Amino acid sequence: DAGVIQSPRHEVTEMGQEVTLRCKPISGHNSLFWYRQTMMRGLELLIYFNNNVPIDDSGMPEDRFSAKMPNASFSTLKIQPSEPRDSAVYFCASSLATSGSTDTQYFGPGTRLTVL
Amino acid sequence: AQSVTQLGSHVSVSEGALVLLRCNYSSSVPPYLFWYVQYPNQGLQLLLKYTSAATLVKGINGFEAEFKKSETSFHLTKPSAHMSDAAEYFCAVTFSRRALTFGSGTRLQVQP
Repeated sequence: DAGVIQSPRHEVTEMGQEVTLRCKPISGHNSLFWYRQTMMRGLELLIYFNNNVPIDDSGMPEDRFSAKMPNASFSTLKIQPSEPRDSAVYFCASSLATSGSTDTQYFGPGTRLTVL
Repeated sequence: AQSVTQLGSHVSVSEGALVLLRCNYSSSVPPYLFWYVQYPNQGLQLLLKYTSAATLVKGINGFEAEFKKSETSFHLTKPSAHMSDAAEYFCAVTFSRRALTFGSGTRLQVQP
């Protein structure tokens, strides 16, 4: 299996621009997670989907952030407009959710976003 | 709310020495606990997970962790460090909510 695929791997943009991060989960997985990693706040959950439906978006910083999962094999995280404080590494992870909550999450390589 | 605390943001050991990375959790219900490793410029890779089947959990690359309910701990150990173990290690917890709550991470350095 190819694993979780994220694109782009690196993104440099200017403040105010729209940024779209993409994720392709592992085939057959039904849960998808977006995390953000910064030096100040560490790894934090932004949003997660189960069967393409957003379940918990309490971690989304503000209205500038939005996430979609139009089908089981694709998700996007959009920031509009971007700000320098959004600079971070954004990870996508997927898992096969079963009746328990011990499903292993598999992480993509991340997208390093720099907003100038 | 669920949380984990990793004691020590940096740990340095000599090659061949014991590795001990500490993780304590807070919970009012039985947790599910994980250790992930992150190599530079890479994503997170699962080392091992505790699912209540056994308190001593063996993972990849010779790592293991012991769940101690009385101490609310899930420390990660490896008997003999290797240079390739140098990385950042994250403890994480989840309960009924499937998303993970991560600790702040511990960077492991292995000296030759």
